[in-house]
Amino acid sequence: AQKITQTQPGMFVQEKEAVTLDCTYDTSDPSYGLFWYKQPSSGEMIFLIYQGSYDQQNATEGRYSLNFQKARKSANLVISASQLGDSAMYFCAMSLDYQGGKLIFGQGTELSVKP
Amino acid sequence: DAGVTQSPTHLIKTRGQHVTLRCSPISGHKSVSWYQQVLGQGPQFIFQYYEKEERGRGNFPDRFSARQFPNYSSELNVNALLLGDSALYLCASSLALGTGFDQPQHFGDGTRLSIL
Repeated sequence: AQKITQTQPGMFVQEKEAVTLDCTYDTSDPSYGLFWYKQPSSGEMIFLIYQGSYDQQNATEGRYSLNFQKARKSANLVISASQLGDSAMYFCAMSLDYQGGKLIFGQGTELSVKP
Repeated sequence: DAGVTQSPTHLIKTRGQHVTLRCSPISGHKSVSWYQQVLGQGPQFIFQYYEKEERGRGNFPDRFSARQFPNYSSELNVNALLLGDSALYLCASSLALGTGFDQPQHFGDGTRLSIL
């Protein structure tokens, strides 16, 4: 069955340091997409970064990069130079080609940035 | 440009009642999806609509229904409300070109539904 697993319920990081949030996925479909979203306490889901299953290079968007290891079925999010405003819930999600726009989400990781 | 807008932001209902939640997508987006997020969990997919047609349905009872209008806005209806329906309901829109699996969905701020 298609599934996203985030094993870190909570993480702490010092301001200005880098942090890695783990995500593993399970699918036998060869064509899929992987997404990371940020959810502040106010509730809105903010799209951060996308990686396609056929992409050869890891995706990057500003301070966010996605460490995509296809053989291990992992798609970890790396946030460089953490800021206080990065404190939020982070969700990894997967979409499958044959399921169109349906997103399958993990349980999330709560990130706290310390000054 | 306006993002995805949802209304109302908060809603309190009692068991057995009916509720309608509304969503307006980003201009130019033809796909709207609905998700339910129970406290402490990730969002769960309920429905996806594209060009007024249902494109996908999650594992939710028939009490949940939705529709999409010609202007691509959407409504989510829930009948016979149960305590377990208390959640944040999120609407997302996307361009949905092709199958749409490789395009990011952009979310609204959600409607917080509380059932007493």
